[in-house]
Amino acid sequence: DIQMTQSPSSLAASVGDRVTITCQASQDINILLNWYQQKPGKAPKVLIYDASNLVTGVPSRFSGSGSGTDFTFTISSLQPEDVATYYCQQYNNLYTFGQGTRLEIK
Amino acid sequence: QLQLQESGPGLVKPSETLSLTCTVSGGSMTNYYWSWIRQPPGKGLEWIGYIYDNGNTNYNPSLRSRVTMSVDTSKNHFSLTLTSVTAADTAVYFCARGPYVSGSFAFWGQGALVTVAS
Repeated sequence: DIQMTQSPSSLAASVGDRVTITCQASQDINILLNWYQQKPGKAPKVLIYDASNLVTGVPSRFSGSGSGTDFTFTISSLQPEDVATYYCQQYNNLYTFGQGTRLEIK
Repeated sequence: QLQLQESGPGLVKPSETLSLTCTVSGGSMTNYYWSWIRQPPGKGLEWIGYIYDNGNTNYNPSLRSRVTMSVDTSKNHFSLTLTSVTAADTAVYFCARGPYVSGSFAFWGQGALVTVAS
């Protein structure tokens, strides 16, 4: 099993802030990592694929980086509509998700 | 636009079998993988398994002994059965198209809450 560990588990930031979430894999997964946004009561939505590629239509304030075991997800300027829980997901060996990071507005 | 809709009982008794169906509309099921993913209340996401349009399956090892998936492309639906359920199987169950490009799940149903309780 590949375990995915996200940090922090929750955070609060102000509108306009730069927000960073990290995801660590228990073994090398190259760049086989995606990032999702899940708003309350809704299904997840994929934002980033292959660690750093933005899905078409996703605002450019979202970005991702990393390879191997350490990955970063960044919102360059937090907007009110970004309140959600964010998940990383590996697909190097089957499919596992991180435990999620809940993002709130301060 | 592709749409997926889960259906099935919202309450299942312990030790019984959970059965859900996902109906796909607005697109073909052919040449795609179709997955079930669940989310216990207030917790994270767990991939249960996928089925291809030809019926080939791959299940999460942690659930493999209890999971069966089937597909009927002529009726545009696929199904999940999970046997011997316990309270730990209480979750929102999502159906999704994928994994697709880059191992992602791009289209999801709205989710169906299944509670295991007597």
